[in-house]
Amino acid sequence: DAGVTQSPTHLIKTRGQQVTLRCSPKSGHDTVSWYQQALGQGPQFIFQYYEEEERQRGNFPDRFSGHQFPNYSSELNVNALLLGDSALYLCASSLGWGEQFFGPGTRLTVL
Amino acid sequence: EDQVTQSPEALRLQEGESSSLNCSYTVSGLRGLFWYRQDPGKGPEFLFTLYSAGEEKEKERLKATLTKKESFLHITAPKPEDSATYLCAVPSSNTGKLIFGQGTTLQVKP
Repeated sequence: DAGVTQSPTHLIKTRGQQVTLRCSPKSGHDTVSWYQQALGQGPQFIFQYYEEEERQRGNFPDRFSGHQFPNYSSELNVNALLLGDSALYLCASSLGWGEQFFGPGTRLTVL
Repeated sequence: EDQVTQSPEALRLQEGESSSLNCSYTVSGLRGLFWYRQDPGKGPEFLFTLYSAGEEKEKERLKATLTKKESFLHITAPKPEDSATYLCAVPSSNTGKLIFGQGTTLQVKP
């Protein structure tokens, strides 16, 4: 049984560019949540998707947007990248509001 | 406001030296408290879910306990491979959003 997968593993972008990160949930899960984790900090909630709709959103600007597909996979898009967007981006999947299982993360570096 | 605070921020132990990590939480209507282990540069690995005060769960050298205000992760006779950052989290009130503490970074020396 494959767990949560994310791609790419690492990404380097320059300020002002746009980036798309991808996530495939654990088999049987229907909900995907995205988190941003800065070095030395706990993960910060970005948003959650369920039934292809954004169900909950954290304190992140509109530059952060997402999508969930019919097969429950999800994308996170970030526009107009800033240096401060450099972080580990984590995807977690769950069955509804149940236990969240995390993927390996995507390390984004903005230069 | 929902909040999670972990202490200490860092902990150094000798192999075999038992200790405890603390997670204090404030949330309306607890719907579970989660413990994760995170290795550097990797995603958090799920360890335990605790739902009610008095509940305990064990996995190898780890035991998690829960009271109405805090949770403890007890590490018995740790080994160097237990070195990692341990995170606790609670779901925010009436949402699926997880509120994380800042983590406790554990280093176990041989």
